[in-house]
Amino acid sequence: GAVVSQHPSRVICKSGTSVKIECRSLDFQATTMFWYRQFPKQSLMLMATSNEGSKATYEQGVEKDKFLINHASLTLSTLTVTSAHPEDSSFYICSALWTSGGAWEADTQYFGPGTRLTVL
Amino acid sequence: DAKTTQPNSMESNEEEPVHLPCNHSTISGTDYIHWYRQLPSQGPEYVIHGLTSNVNNRMASLAIAEDRKSSTLILHRATLRDAAVYYCILGLDTGANSKLTFGKGITLSVRP
Repeated sequence: GAVVSQHPSRVICKSGTSVKIECRSLDFQATTMFWYRQFPKQSLMLMATSNEGSKATYEQGVEKDKFLINHASLTLSTLTVTSAHPEDSSFYICSALWTSGGAWEADTQYFGPGTRLTVL
Repeated sequence: DAKTTQPNSMESNEEEPVHLPCNHSTISGTDYIHWYRQLPSQGPEYVIHGLTSNVNNRMASLAIAEDRKSSTLILHRATLRDAAVYYCILGLDTGANSKLTFGKGITLSVRP
């Protein structure tokens, strides 16, 4: 259980175009999803927290108008990179938060396989 | 945010146990200890988490010090597929507060 998918797994686009990445929780509902970015040989950096039915919360330094997040259902969040430029080339990873429902159990993030974005 | 400290790397032999240490001296009472691992070009994979007591699952065991200032992830028999970057992360327990801050992690190499 607790499977998260991302689509596409790899995308190459021209500078100035927009790219949409989908993140789906396949076997559980997720009120909260997270979007991360990872540059080569670096660790994951949280970009934003996506909440179903409300606006996303962006981390400091992340442009909300450039990275549009829509969490339209309990199983789908999308990240749109608008007017992409070569410096946006990166590995984008989402996670979905599985809620235990128990008072003494932590909620757990399950991650997607990632999307490799290359902007030419 | 409470921080963790891990060695940069560790080597192990296949089929031998591996103990991956993590220090978190500033851990607060509400912080859970999470372990994830990441293989090259893949998203992180959940390994295990705990609060105070030692935890076991099919992948690994988590031994937590009594004062909670350190913990150890134990892989009982390392395989080549266990070679990955392992992240020890502190996080709150619920909802949007569950966001995780990834450090550099420890790179585990497994020798055949």
